Amino acid sequence: GQQVQQSPASLVLQEGENAELQCNFSTSLNSMQWFYQRPGGSLVSLFYNPSGTKHSGRLTSTTVIKERRSSLHISSSQTTDSGTYLCALVLSNTNKVVFGTGTRLQVLP
Amino acid sequence: DAGVTQTPRHEVAEKGQTIILKCEPVSGHNDLFWYRQTKIQGLELLSYFRSKSLMEDGGAFKDRFKAEMLNSSFSTLKIQPTEPKDSAVYLCASSLTGNTGQLYFGEGSKLTVL
Repeated sequence: GQQVQQSPASLVLQEGENAELQCNFSTSLNSMQWFYQRPGGSLVSLFYNPSGTKHSGRLTSTTVIKERRSSLHISSSQTTDSGTYLCALVLSNTNKVVFGTGTRLQVLP
Repeated sequence: DAGVTQTPRHEVAEKGQTIILKCEPVSGHNDLFWYRQTKIQGLELLSYFRSKSLMEDGGAFKDRFKAEMLNSSFSTLKIQPTEPKDSAVYLCASSLTGNTGQLYFGEGSKLTVL
């Protein structure tokens, strides 16, 4: 079965609203990474977060290893936040990366 | 420090042609990954090198896809012969070996096969 599942698959927000993106995984991992991708753009690392909570501006990432989940919280969303958010696991034994299917976010003005 | 560099950024090929995509990882990184990204399939691993040794060749992509890492600072991905279904964005990423695993991606090479 799929090792990484992201939800929701897509999300539409009004500017100013908050968003909570989820990533659930079914295997043991070494770390979790969150990426942002603008349409036609490359993947930009937002967080490298093996466990615990990290903050960067309006973004917060929380990974709970024992519950096999990670979340990305976006507060006070802006239209420039629109794009695709991907989570990725780094498997502990191989350093191999497994990607989620992504959440497509659209923030309307 | 320079990030991951990929060339060309765009490539248009006729069906049956051979194309070579290039990647320079972050200096000092030992792991290098080639991915293909399409809207339908998302990100698919093509090849994975650790310290220039091929660790994984992406199974289904072995037939016409060949990645090489001739030295620690340069890798190529050859597609021969190209088919229209190969149209996609090809992404290269690198990371440090060991328990860090943080990935750094290049800008990608967008391939269109006519």
